[in-house]
Amino acid sequence: SQTIHQWPATLVQPVGSPLSLECTVEGTSNPNLYWYRQAAGRGLQLLFYSVGIGQISSEVPQNLSASRPQDRQFILSSKKLLLSDSGFYLCAWSSQREAPDTQYFGPGTRLTVL
Amino acid sequence: GEDVEQSLFLSVREGDSSVINCTYTDSSSTYLYWYKQEPGAGLQLLTYIFSNMDMKQDQRLTVLLNKKDKHLSLRIADTQTGDSAIYFCAENDRGSTLGRLYFGRGTQLTVWP
Repeated sequence: SQTIHQWPATLVQPVGSPLSLECTVEGTSNPNLYWYRQAAGRGLQLLFYSVGIGQISSEVPQNLSASRPQDRQFILSSKKLLLSDSGFYLCAWSSQREAPDTQYFGPGTRLTVL
Repeated sequence: GEDVEQSLFLSVREGDSSVINCTYTDSSSTYLYWYKQEPGAGLQLLTYIFSNMDMKQDQRLTVLLNKKDKHLSLRIADTQTGDSAIYFCAENDRGSTLGRLYFGRGTQLTVWP
């Protein structure tokens, strides 16, 4: 069966510090991968998605970036965090082969920027 | 496919039925989803319905789809305190090969004992 992991679970960082959040998927190959941010208002904002290694598409301009160094690894990064980067970050995957394109979510990372 | 609307709050008494409603805009969506999010956790897929279906039942969950009105509902029978969570409605983007979903803002369901 497939599982998705996110690390770390919680993170408190000062403004201006770098960020690296990791997402890994097990039990599938060549998944679509997604990064979402969920702010206090509950809505889910799609940040990045990837259909393969090194292939990243950005949904919104911001000081965050994403990378996919391996097939089942997705990393969210920032060189300098802003207060507005605080939120709950969710990684998700979906199959490129099977219908429907159902997304399966990881447990999330709670980021607080002080 | 970018406007998925849900009411923000719903309160019910334990043992009653809960009905969470959702409206969407993209008539070409092929799948519509319900996700559940418990406090501090990720989203858990509850169920989905294909757009050529009117109803889908899965144990205590019943999904109704009215394509004409672009209205989706989730009924939870015999609601329990463990059902307290945020419920998200989502539609897929049929024009996308990326499995993109558009989510509502979520309905906070509170179940009172």
